[in-house]
Amino acid sequence: ELKVEQNPLFLSMQEGKNYTIYCNYSTTSDRLYWYRQDPGKSLESLFVLLSNGAVKQEGRLMASLDTKARLSTLHITAAVHDLSATYFCAVNYGGSQGNLIFGKGTKLSVKP
Amino acid sequence: EAQVTQNPRYLITVTGKKLTVTCSQNMNHEYMSWYRQDPGLGLRQIYYSMNVEVTDKGDVPEGYKVSRKEKRNFPLILESPSPNQTSLYFCASSPWSSGANVLTFGAGSRLTVL
Repeated sequence: ELKVEQNPLFLSMQEGKNYTIYCNYSTTSDRLYWYRQDPGKSLESLFVLLSNGAVKQEGRLMASLDTKARLSTLHITAAVHDLSATYFCAVNYGGSQGNLIFGKGTKLSVKP
Repeated sequence: EAQVTQNPRYLITVTGKKLTVTCSQNMNHEYMSWYRQDPGLGLRQIYYSMNVEVTDKGDVPEGYKVSRKEKRNFPLILESPSPNQTSLYFCASSPWSSGANVLTFGAGSRLTVL
């Protein structure tokens, strides 16, 4: 059974600081996704990571994937209040006939 | 506009009264899925469908039914709702293939069972 664990589950940051959210998963997977959920809203796709060593960046967010370690990181650089949201990683298993398992999410609060 | 549409967005019902939450997508996606979101538990998958007439259980299927008679629609049926099914429900779809298969989520349906 695939398990996906995110750490931390809650993160309070000051504006301008850097931090990393970790996503560990328990079995082999060929795809990892990061989604963002604003309070009271739906989920939106941030990144898709398809291979070992993949790195994607958009604005102050950078995601990376290490399939050997079964670990993905979401790095936040110089946080701003607009990044306050819940971030979910999700892992595919079973190839094209497989499915997605979500982590429990990391609730990020960026304070002035 | 490409989207996943869920209805109703909000619903308060009573124990045992059958209800259906509809989900429709206009992107010709093969894959559709239902999730429930509860505080501290993240998103848990209820049922998913790889294509028309192909459905399978997710992690928490008890108390729910689905059908996929048309490619665009994937309704979630609660035959006899109970209070523990009070939750926020999301429908999602994607073009399941060998590519990235990014999910597009609906706006969510907040269900309260009294």
